[in-house]
Amino acid sequence: GDQVEQSPSALSLHEGTSSALRCNFTTTTRSVQWFRQNSRGSLINLFYLASGTKENGRLKSAFDSKELYSTLHIRDAQLEDSGTYFCAAEAGGNEKITFGAGTKLTIKP
Amino acid sequence: DPKIIQKPKYLVAVTGSEKILICEQYLGHNAMYWYRQSAKKPLEFMFSYSYQKLMDNQTASSRFQPQSSKKNHLDLQITALKPDDSATYFCASSQGLSQNTLYFGAGTRLSVL
Repeated sequence: GDQVEQSPSALSLHEGTSSALRCNFTTTTRSVQWFRQNSRGSLINLFYLASGTKENGRLKSAFDSKELYSTLHIRDAQLEDSGTYFCAAEAGGNEKITFGAGTKLTIKP
Repeated sequence: DPKIIQKPKYLVAVTGSEKILICEQYLGHNAMYWYRQSAKKPLEFMFSYSYQKLMDNQTASSRFQPQSSKKNHLDLQITALKPDDSATYFCASSQGLSQNTLYFGAGTRLSVL
């Protein structure tokens, strides 16, 4: 199976609401990164976590290396949050970074 | 100002031809990578380089050859192009090979006819 399982595959939110995206890992994971890909295709790094939580504005991410998962919380969603969100995991034992299949997030007015 | 420059942005090629995708990074990073994104697969790791040395190659085909003429350059040569090679190819870099934030270029969208 895939090393990185991302859910949901698609999510639609109304402006002002909040939700969470999740990645489950099937092997030991040393670190996780979250990216947003916009409509032009550009990949923007949102967070890098080796453990714990990080917050940036309306976004907050957590990584539990023991339970093998990471989450990305989006609070008070805005139209510009629309895009595809990817998590990427660095496996323990090798430096290869593997991406999840992505969550396509649509924010509606 | 983009710190990772990929050229060209769009590329159309005929089956059987050869193309080179250019990548330069101005972040002072020591590690560089190529990823591929197509409709069929998510972002797929292809190669990693550290200090101009190949560290990992997950590409089954020898038609894909990375070339690093300088520490901040990692080009990708693709020979004998096939329609299945159509994808967006992303170059990325990080300070080091392990446990570092990954930064991406804007990608080269390749279409093989």
